[in-house]
Amino acid sequence: TQLLEQSPQFLSIQEGENLTVYCNSSSVFSSLQWYRQEPGEGPVLLVTVVTGGEVKKLKRLTFQFGDARKDSSLHITAAQPGDTGLYLCAGLVNNDMRFGAGTRLTVKP
Amino acid sequence: NAGVTQTPKFQVLKTGQSMTLQCAQDMNHNSMYWYRQDPGMGLRLIYYSASEGTTDKGEVPNGYNVSRLNKREFSLRLESAAPSQTSVYFCASASHRGNYGYTFGSGTRLTVV
Repeated sequence: TQLLEQSPQFLSIQEGENLTVYCNSSSVFSSLQWYRQEPGEGPVLLVTVVTGGEVKKLKRLTFQFGDARKDSSLHITAAQPGDTGLYLCAGLVNNDMRFGAGTRLTVKP
Repeated sequence: NAGVTQTPKFQVLKTGQSMTLQCAQDMNHNSMYWYRQDPGMGLRLIYYSASEGTTDKGEVPNGYNVSRLNKREFSLRLESAAPSQTSVYFCASASHRGNYGYTFGSGTRLTVV
């Protein structure tokens, strides 16, 4: 059983559409991170959120950490083909970093 | 470029063979990690080293050993490879035990036949 559940597992959309992916857990995290991974490469850190309710924006990407620090969401506005990849969330609990299985996003031109 | 370097990129082993995966970082990070990534299962921690001179088991350590050679280098050894160890292996490093994120290498794709 995954400590972090990500949904959806797969998402295929057209360029210009908006989307939200989710990361949920029953555990409380001291911090939560989002990574993007492209084929044949390692994950690359996008953002770290630390405070419950925190919202961070990175260009067209908006990250939110739940008030109880158990869940997070990633919203992409006007998706582009360059956003295609595997999005992973990772949570730090008791110095133990756990990763979700990821959401595989495909943005079609 | 600064970062985490892993070698080799690809490897095919026969069951029972041994090999060592190498990892080096040049960011002066204290902590280093070895993960494996399998479809549908996310990244699972094999071993980690919180600082030079220490190593600890992660979630899936069986069949593996590690060596923290110095602050820069952290190697992963498979003594007797099994088909269940077919996976993509990632090394990562971090400061502050990962509170500010990990830097990953580009991975080693290992196939055990």
